[in-house]
Amino acid sequence: GAVVSQHPSRVICKSGTSVKIECRSLDFQATTMFWYRQFPKQSLMLMATSNEGSKATYEQGVEKDKFLINHASLTLSTLTVTSAHPEDSSFYICSARRGGGAETQYFGPGTRLLVL
Amino acid sequence: DAKTTQPPSMDCAEGRAANLPCNHSTISGNEYVYWYRQIHSQGPQYIIHGLKNNETNEMASLIITEDRKSSTLILPHATLRDTAVYYCIVRVGTSGNTPLVFGKGTRLSVIA
Repeated sequence: GAVVSQHPSRVICKSGTSVKIECRSLDFQATTMFWYRQFPKQSLMLMATSNEGSKATYEQGVEKDKFLINHASLTLSTLTVTSAHPEDSSFYICSARRGGGAETQYFGPGTRLLVL
Repeated sequence: DAKTTQPPSMDCAEGRAANLPCNHSTISGNEYVYWYRQIHSQGPQYIIHGLKNNETNEMASLIITEDRKSSTLILPHATLRDTAVYYCIVRVGTSGNTPLVFGKGTRLSVIA
């Protein structure tokens, strides 16, 4: 299957700092990427849809000024958590949509963020 | 909101077939059924998808009822490494930017 990578795999930061998470599609071009968040023992919650060359579309309740998304190329999307707080600690997962046919989404391995 | 209903948990003996059911009674004619699984602390892994015909690949088989209101994912010979949360998702196939919406899934435990 298609490969999607994320970097870093885990990060610990102090409250008030910003953290950038990268999502790359390694063997295909992705015009659309998605960002999800998952709290312990819960399912994945969609945060935003990232489109190459345009502004991201955020889900209701997700602050666009806090979670900055940039999709500058067909293989890279970044999520920046600005002024992180302990309640932002979570597992962040990206996925990339591979075009053609039923347009399967492939997921990255996730980034675990811990804000102290 | 997720459009599917799955049992919260299931057990399966190692080496036996695991049959995971999913109800999607409000599925539309242009919506596909997708199955993903998530092993602890990893990103979801694509398993299989289908529209109305049964499908099989190296990982699993997908059986969709004729009325398309339910489906079953079959892992023919479950191993301990198949222990995971399995998600059944319906979504329009050629939908452009429509993302996958995850429900609570079924936690499958494969027991030695």
